Amino acid sequence: DGGITQSPKYLFRKEGQNVTLSCEQNLNHDAMYWYRQDPGQGLRLIYYSQIVNDFQKGDIAEGYSVSREKKESFPLTVTSAQKNPTAFYLCASSMGGRVNTEAFFGQGTRLTVV
Amino acid sequence: AQSVAQPEDQVNVAEGNPLTVKCTYSVSGNPYLFWYVQYPNRGLQFLLKYITGDNLVKGSYGFEAEFNKSQTSFHLKKPSALVSDSALYFCAVRDEGDKIIFGKGTRLHILP
Repeated sequence: DGGITQSPKYLFRKEGQNVTLSCEQNLNHDAMYWYRQDPGQGLRLIYYSQIVNDFQKGDIAEGYSVSREKKESFPLTVTSAQKNPTAFYLCASSMGGRVNTEAFFGQGTRLTVV
Repeated sequence: AQSVAQPEDQVNVAEGNPLTVKCTYSVSGNPYLFWYVQYPNRGLQFLLKYITGDNLVKGSYGFEAEFNKSQTSFHLKKPSALVSDSALYFCAVRDEGDKIIFGKGTRLHILP
């Protein structure tokens, strides 16, 4: 069953802690993405990766870090430097280098700072 | 840098009436445009995409989109709205470096 899986669905973090959100895909896609969604602000790009061991900052990368050690996996770490991390986080993947192909999304992780 | 704008935060349409959700774009090269839909607490689902040369694109669930190069627009349309069409709709643009940027979204309410 092909798709993109995000875990956990809900995550609670204490202030000052780092947390890592998981994103795995078995679609053999080269490109992967992380977005943050806040009410009224749409989806904002945090990081994206076109190939293994390479990634680029999006529009709101500060306070976040990523790695791309395997094609299938693109974990996102929300660090203590992110001042307002409570949000809905979405991971996506797509065929790389083919601009006319759509992205596939996971079901999201809702992160809450407590 | 590319960008998309969705000028309406919310659109209300009576069931059975035609609907339009607006999107305008700004790109330096050829536009690669997409529409997605999101239901509460879920990821986004692909609806349709612009194919070069086709000014009217058909997609899933009876939706279509009209591309207008002179107005740099890619409006989402449906001839007859259903209550089940109520959701959050996003327009997106992709560049040749694989970067995908989304608009702020438009909430569509279909009134029974």
